[in-house]
Amino acid sequence: RKEVEQDPGPFNVPEGATVAFNCTYSNSASQSFFWYRQDCRKEPKLLMSVYSSGNEDGRFTAQLNRASQYISLLIRDSKLSDSATYLCVVNTAGGYNKLIFGAGTRLAVHP
Amino acid sequence: DAGVIQSPRHEVTEMGQEVTLRCKPISGHDYLFWYRQTMMRGLELLIYFNNNVPIDDSGMPEDRFSAKMPNASFSTLKIQPSEPRDSAVYFCASSFPQGAYNEQFFGPGTRLTVL
Repeated sequence: RKEVEQDPGPFNVPEGATVAFNCTYSNSASQSFFWYRQDCRKEPKLLMSVYSSGNEDGRFTAQLNRASQYISLLIRDSKLSDSATYLCVVNTAGGYNKLIFGAGTRLAVHP
Repeated sequence: DAGVIQSPRHEVTEMGQEVTLRCKPISGHDYLFWYRQTMMRGLELLIYFNNNVPIDDSGMPEDRFSAKMPNASFSTLKIQPSEPRDSAVYFCASSFPQGAYNEQFFGPGTRLTVL
């Protein structure tokens, strides 16, 4: 079983749609959780950290369920510019700095 | 402020040749990471340094790969000899420790093709 699993997609949605991505992780000792965004042929960039209480940043909402070892990302009012691959990221037992990246979920927003 | 700098951006070489990838982290960042990304395996951590010291190299695929960080502003990843299966995008990233949530800043990557 992979340490971080994501639905690869692609998710094809119209502008203005709400879309949700899910991710599961296998290491119950993980303590740091993130969503990174990667545009085509570019480097990954931090989208948002995911905190235990859940957090929101504009149109983006992240949730963490430690009991189920499950992380989610909700994007409301999708924009064309949201088209990218979204990577679920979790730290390993090796420490806060050793991150495991999921394979990514591809999102395509169309007019 | 300059981000993480990597060179070269693209490298095409023949099997058996030595390849050296270079990275300059963001000034003041204590941690430096080398990742490899392929379609099949995704983004994998190869090795990371803290204050120029290698901390974890368990992701380095085999002895053909080596990494050094001679000072706080420079690191290299070397492949010798290179093989076609080494073809991938190699990313360097750096971070400044801030507890449990340390953002890693990635460079633009080096796209390596081994023929």
